[in-house]
Amino acid sequence: GNSVTQMEGPVTLSEEAFLTINCTYTATGYPSLFWYVQYPGEGLQLLLKATKADDKGSNKGFEATYRKETTSFHLEKGSVQVSDSAVYFCALSRNTGTASKLTFGTGTRLQVTL
Amino acid sequence: DAGVIQSPRHEVTEMGQEVTLRCKPISGHDYLFWYRQTMMRGLELLIYFNNNVPIDDSGMPEDRFSAKMPNASFSTLKIQPSEPRDSAVYFCASSFGRVYTGELFFGEGSRLTVL
Repeated sequence: GNSVTQMEGPVTLSEEAFLTINCTYTATGYPSLFWYVQYPGEGLQLLLKATKADDKGSNKGFEATYRKETTSFHLEKGSVQVSDSAVYFCALSRNTGTASKLTFGTGTRLQVTL
Repeated sequence: DAGVIQSPRHEVTEMGQEVTLRCKPISGHDYLFWYRQTMMRGLELLIYFNNNVPIDDSGMPEDRFSAKMPNASFSTLKIQPSEPRDSAVYFCASSFGRVYTGELFFGEGSRLTVL
């Protein structure tokens, strides 16, 4: 079946540090890959996505590249801010007819301190 | 524009009571999803609808859970009878078109505590 594996958290960084959150997936075919972010007390919101191999999704300084050869979609940011503190979820969706399901990873909590 | 609206935001109830969670999706969206979030199991898809029709309810834990979507602007998730292990944050989400290429919009969640 489909699955997403994320690195365990929490990840604690100082402001302006470089961020990497690892994500690998298992799926047949060619899934679309996503990063969603959940700020405290809120629902999830889409951060970025990539729909085919070698695509790079980017938003708000965050980037992730769809690597089919390593089945990975690692999230990176060059310089984190305190406001980036949140839980980050990697997710995938397979193109299977009319089905429309997202499979989420367990989430990685990021804490950024001054 | 209004996002996905859920109510209540918080619910505390006693074991055995009926709980009804409500959701208003974004106007024009044709998919609606119910998720449950707990520390132990993370985010779980319970059920989703397309054009008000349930498509996949394989994630519904057991017969105590039921979901309906009587029209395009309203859905309910009901738990009867509730148990302490049902305590979680329940999210409703909607999308226009399949999430394979689109975006899922989440509500702020309903935090349920069953004593």
